Amino acid sequence: AAGVIQSPRHLIKEKRETATLKCYPIPRHDTVYWYQQGPGQDPQFLISFYEKMQSDKGSIPDRFSAQQFSDYHSELNMSSLELGDSALYFCASSLSRVVHEQYFGPGTRLTVT
Amino acid sequence: GEDVEQSLFLSVREGDSSVINCTYTDSSSTYLYWYKQEPGAGLQLLTYIFSNMDMKQDQRLTVLLNKKDKHLSLRIADTQTGDSAIYFCAETYQNYGGSQGNLIFGKGTKLSVKP
Repeated sequence: AAGVIQSPRHLIKEKRETATLKCYPIPRHDTVYWYQQGPGQDPQFLISFYEKMQSDKGSIPDRFSAQQFSDYHSELNMSSLELGDSALYFCASSLSRVVHEQYFGPGTRLTVT
Repeated sequence: GEDVEQSLFLSVREGDSSVINCTYTDSSSTYLYWYKQEPGAGLQLLTYIFSNMDMKQDQRLTVLLNKKDKHLSLRIADTQTGDSAIYFCAETYQNYGGSQGNLIFGKGTKLSVKP
C-alpha cells in the first residue's frame, strides 16, 4: 500500500539558510499535518492543512511557513535557520479531518550547522 | 491543559508480556493511540481506541482504557526482540465543527526486550 512520502530524507543546512521540506500524502488523503521531533523528544505539532486551507496551527515559529497544493502535497518552508531547528520533521496524512487515523511519513532529518 | 505522561523505560525478557502505561489529562480526548518508533524511523500507528470503549484487542496487542482515571495501557503478549522500540501514547480531540485535532504525544516509553 502507498505510504506518505517525504523528501528529502536528509538535509544539512547552515545557520541563516532556508530549507524546503516536501510531503506527498497517501493517495486520496486530503489532510496533512506537520510535526517536529527534536532529539530524544516527542513529536510536536506544527501546522495542518485540509483541502488546501490551513486547518490548525501549533508551535510553528514565524520563520516557518507551509502550504498545501492542489494535488494535496504540502511544503514546509523554513527560513533563517537556527541550530535549534535541527530535528526530524514528520508529515502525516489522513483521509479527512473527521477521520482520526493519521499515517506518518519516514521523516526528514534536518541538521543545521 | 493537555498533557500526556508515560514512564520512560521498560525492560522485559523475550516471551514475557509487556505493559506500557500512559496517563492523560484532557477529558475531551476522543481517540487515544499507540505509535511505535524504531531507531531513526518514522511513527507507525499500532492501534487506537475510542474514548467510549474500555478495551480493544488486536492480535498480540491489548489496549485498556480507564476513562475515570484517564489511564491508558498497551499490553504486548509474547514480546519479541523485534518489539524493541519507543512507544508513544497520543491523544486527539474533536474540534468545534467536528474535525479531529492534531495528535498530542507523550514522551515515549523505550521498550528493551532481552533475549
